[in-house]
Amino acid sequence: AQSVTQLGSHVSVSEGALVLLRCNYSSSVPPYLFWYVQYPNQGLQLLLKYTTGATLVKGINGFEAEFKKSETSFHLTKPSAHMSDAAEYFCAVTDPRFGNEKLTFGTGTRLTIIP
Amino acid sequence: DTGVSQDPRHKITKRGQNVTFRCDPISEHNRLYWYRQTLGQGPEFLTYFQNEAQLEKSRLLSDRFSAERPKGSFSTLEIQRTEQGDSAMYLCASSPGQVRNEQFFGPGTRLTVL
Repeated sequence: AQSVTQLGSHVSVSEGALVLLRCNYSSSVPPYLFWYVQYPNQGLQLLLKYTTGATLVKGINGFEAEFKKSETSFHLTKPSAHMSDAAEYFCAVTDPRFGNEKLTFGTGTRLTIIP
Repeated sequence: DTGVSQDPRHKITKRGQNVTFRCDPISEHNRLYWYRQTLGQGPEFLTYFQNEAQLEKSRLLSDRFSAERPKGSFSTLEIQRTEQGDSAMYLCASSPGQVRNEQFFGPGTRLTVL
């Protein structure tokens, strides 16, 4: 079975500082990996995804993530935080062996931006 | 493209009552998913449809839960004899069904069982 661990349920960074949100996965095969963002009382929006190919993936709003198989990690970064980045972020995996695309999510990281 | 819509956005009910939620996926998306999200947790998979066929159900989906997708368009999720533990956000997502495609999520229905 697949699982996702997000280290740090709450992360606070100053506006303009580096954002680093951690995600580690457990899977018997290389999974597909996703980062979603959720604003209050809204659904989830895809930030970026890794399926195959280049391990450094760029997404929307200046975010990027790097798939590191040796570390089973897929950490999310942004060079300079903006107030509008305050939200909940979820890392998720899906098993590419099955065609159902069922997502397994981590417990989320709430990002707070300090003015 | 109007996105995935869900109705109602909020539902408050008393324990023991039945509730039904509706999800309208993006037009021509043949896959539709239901997830449940409780406070402080990530979404958990409940079930999914390929067109009108329900292909997988999670063990989280007890006998009190039933989902349908008649004609492969909108979907409904019914909870019978609601319990306080059913209080959660119920999220619907749809995808075109091709490999590596993302799921597009609706805004969710927040259920509160008193």
